Amino acid sequence: EVQLVESGGGLVKPGGSLRLSCAASGFTFSAYTMNWVRQAPGKGLEWVSSISSSSSYIYYTDSVKGRFTISRDNAKNSLYLQMNSLRAEDTAVYYCARDYNLEWLSPPGDWGQGTLVTVSS
Amino acid sequence: EIVLTQSPGTLSLSPGERATLSCRPSQSVSSSYLAWYQQKPGQAPRLLIYGASSRATGIPDRFSGSGSGTDFTLTISRLEPEDFAVYYCQQYGTSPDTFGQGTKLEIK
Repeated sequence: EVQLVESGGGLVKPGGSLRLSCAASGFTFSAYTMNWVRQAPGKGLEWVSSISSSSSYIYYTDSVKGRFTISRDNAKNSLYLQMNSLRAEDTAVYYCARDYNLEWLSPPGDWGQGTLVTVSS
Repeated sequence: EIVLTQSPGTLSLSPGERATLSCRPSQSVSSSYLAWYQQKPGQAPRLLIYGASSRATGIPDRFSGSGSGTDFTLTISRLEPEDFAVYYCQQYGTSPDTFGQGTKLEIK
């Protein structure tokens, strides 16, 4: 069974930093593209970033470019999101999600339960 | 970026009825890289449909997807009580991936 468990969320002041982690199990982590998707309170879903299986391809949504860094450690079956220069509009539940399959283009198919990041003074 | 417009915003139906949800991208979605998700309160999204019309593993056959280009539809043939939730479409063919704003399916 695929399991994705996020951690690292919490309350941080504007301009601060936070590092999210996602522990993966139940599948061959090193084979899959992984994603971060966020959801502001009461709002819709927003794709944040993706990283290919070997970290060769990395993508970000424009609003986080230069502030967030996605990374992975295949030896530890873990995905990370380093978030710097945080803004109030980054407040959201952050979901770790695995691509549904190994196709070059695949939607997120398995999701963690999310971790809440609150940016407020 | 490709903007996805979902309609209606809210759909009020009764169990047993048929639901038709629409997703219209602002430009053609390449190779039908269009997915549908279901989300219930306090839960993570659940993938229902990918490639516009392929059901994800374990998804009941009352859920079906259709369409291409700039016009996509999610149909739920006979609503079950557990189907009342928010539904999102997503395109993943052109970066950045984008989601629609969601359709809330509520019990009438």
